[in-house]
Amino acid sequence: AQSVAQPEDQVNVAEGNPLTVKCTYSVSGNPYLFWYVQYPNRGLQFLLKYITGDNLVKGSYGFEAEFNKSQTSFHLKKPSALVSDSALYFCAVKGAAGNKLTFGGGTRVLVKP
Amino acid sequence: EAQVTQNPRYLITVTGKKLTVTCSQNMNHEYMSWYRQDPGLGLRQIYYSMNVEVTDKGDVPEGYKVSRKEKRNFPLILESPSPNQTSLYFCASSLYGGQAFYKGSEQYFGPGTRLTVT
Repeated sequence: AQSVAQPEDQVNVAEGNPLTVKCTYSVSGNPYLFWYVQYPNRGLQFLLKYITGDNLVKGSYGFEAEFNKSQTSFHLKKPSALVSDSALYFCAVKGAAGNKLTFGGGTRVLVKP
Repeated sequence: EAQVTQNPRYLITVTGKKLTVTCSQNMNHEYMSWYRQDPGLGLRQIYYSMNVEVTDKGDVPEGYKVSRKEKRNFPLILESPSPNQTSLYFCASSLYGGQAFYKGSEQYFGPGTRLTVT
């Protein structure tokens, strides 16, 4: 069965500092990896995805993520965090042979001024 | 505006009283899915549909039913709700309908339905 682990329930960072949200996954075959963000009282919004190709993918709002096959990781990063980045972030994986999308438990990011 | 809509947004009901949460998308997407979100558990997939009249179970299908008679609509039915179905529910859609090229399509989410079963 496929799974996603987000080891940190919450990440605190000062505005202007780098932000990293960790994600590791387990899936059969090649993975399709996604990051979504959820602002309070809103649905999830797509940030970025890795399908194939370059291991470093860039997405919305200045976010990027690096796919590391050997470590089965897909960490989300932002060089300089903003207070408006405070939200709940979800990593998700889909196997190349399957149709189910499995989410991690989510990481709450709090960016302090 | 491209969007996924859900109704109702909030619902309080009693154990055993059948209810339906509607979901509709205007993007001509083939793939639609229902999730429930519970604290600490992330989102868990309930059911998904690859196309009209094609549905399949996700990870937590017990106590739920779905149907896909039209491409744009994917209602979630709780025949006999119980308190453990109290949750935040999201509907989502994406382009993917089976072709490998679209398998990595991102999903578009509705605003959510907060359900309380007493």
